[in-house]
This record gives sequence, C-alpha cells and structure tokens, in this order.
Amino acid sequence: SSELTQPPSVSVSPGQTARITCSGDALPKQYSYWYQQRPGQAPVLMIFKDNERPSGIPERFSGSSSGTAVTLTISGVQAEDEADYYCQSVDSGGNSVTFGGGTRLTVL
Amino acid sequence: QVRLVQSGTELRKPGASVKVSCKASGYTFSDYYIHWVRQAPGQGLEWMGIMNSSGGRKTYAQKFQGRVTMTGDTSTSTVYLEVSSLRSEDTAVYYCARDRALAPLFFGGMDVWGQGTTVTVSS
Repeated sequence: SSELTQPPSVSVSPGQTARITCSGDALPKQYSYWYQQRPGQAPVLMIFKDNERPSGIPERFSGSSSGTAVTLTISGVQAEDEADYYCQSVDSGGNSVTFGGGTRLTVL
Repeated sequence: QVRLVQSGTELRKPGASVKVSCKASGYTFSDYYIHWVRQAPGQGLEWMGIMNSSGGRKTYAQKFQGRVTMTGDTSTSTVYLEVSSLRSEDTAVYYCARDRALAPLFFGGMDVWGQGTTVTVSS
C-alpha cells in the first residue's frame, strides 16, 4: 500500500513541542519528506530524507523515522508555525509519489 | 534566485481542456525533474506526475493517465500540463514543483514550487 496516514489536527501552546506523525507501509523502505503550507501559499519543503533540513529552515524543525512511522517535531512552537503540514513519500515500488492527508497545526 | 513562475487563472466549461505553463529560472533547467501537484478547495495535496525538462521521460499518476499530458520546451525553460475532458472535480490550484534530486535521479522531494494556477471548471 502507498497510503500515508496523518492526524487531521494537532494543537499546542506557544513554546511547547508539537509532534506530527505519519504512518505508511512503505516508509521503512522509502524516505519521507515534510511540507508546511500556510493559507493561500504554496507548500514549503521543511524536511527531506526523513531528517535533513533544507537551508533556511529553522532548527526547531526536525524529523525522525521508526519502522512504519515518521514524525515531524517542532520544538518551541511559535505562532508563525500555525499551518498545514503534509508528509510525502514514494510507493514501495518507487513508481509514484504519495502525500498524507495533511495535519492542521493550531497554536493556542 | 531559483523560481518557477506559472501562468494565470483559468476558467473552463466541463468537457474542455486547459494548459498550464511553468517557467523555470535561476538554475540549469535540464538538471532537475518537475512534478505537477494539485489541490482542490479545502483539500490536501494530490500528485499528478513527474517529468524531465524536455518531457521525454515522464510518469503519470494512475488516476490521471489518459487525461493528462506533460510536455517541456527546453528553449524557453518551460514545462506544460494539459488536462483534457475537464469536470467540476478538476477545479483546483495546480502547482509545478522542482524535484530536489539532481537528474537523472528524482523522487527526492520538492524544493521549489510555483505560485500555483487556479483552474475553475464550471458551466
């Protein structure tokens, strides 16, 4: 299966740590990627190859992988982090891209 | 800087076709693959396919095979997405996005995105 499952929503208070999980059968074999999308804007790549950060992405964003699940962790959440977050990977055959359904992060 | 600039908003009737363009600048066009991704109103991201800069190599998502055509023009560093037999469910913002991996590799994540093109299908 190439499906990726995310929780629809996560809420945290400013300064706390947010964790967004993504699960899928192909994740032990394929890298994961995370995107942030603010309303009315194009997505932005936040994490690639499970845990690497593109230049310009704050250090408070990190990624990890364990078995069939990957996690995006945002430490010291700020109000500006409120957005939708999507995980993405490739099917086990390496033939197509799949996105998770997205998680809305609300900063209380 | 590295940019992908897409064509403007489109309005089409059901059954018609639409062609969206995506012009690259700031990098060597032939060095990277391009993805097409769409997002229906209030919905998540949906991958449509991937192509190399010339359009000579491409893979379409199974859902769109037979209804989508991806082409490229290396002389203008522009790629195109054409969707035919439009229906109301095709109403969405369509994005092009550069694959992060250096060709011939791909599926390395999408590091640069166009601003999106809104396509509305309505009678």
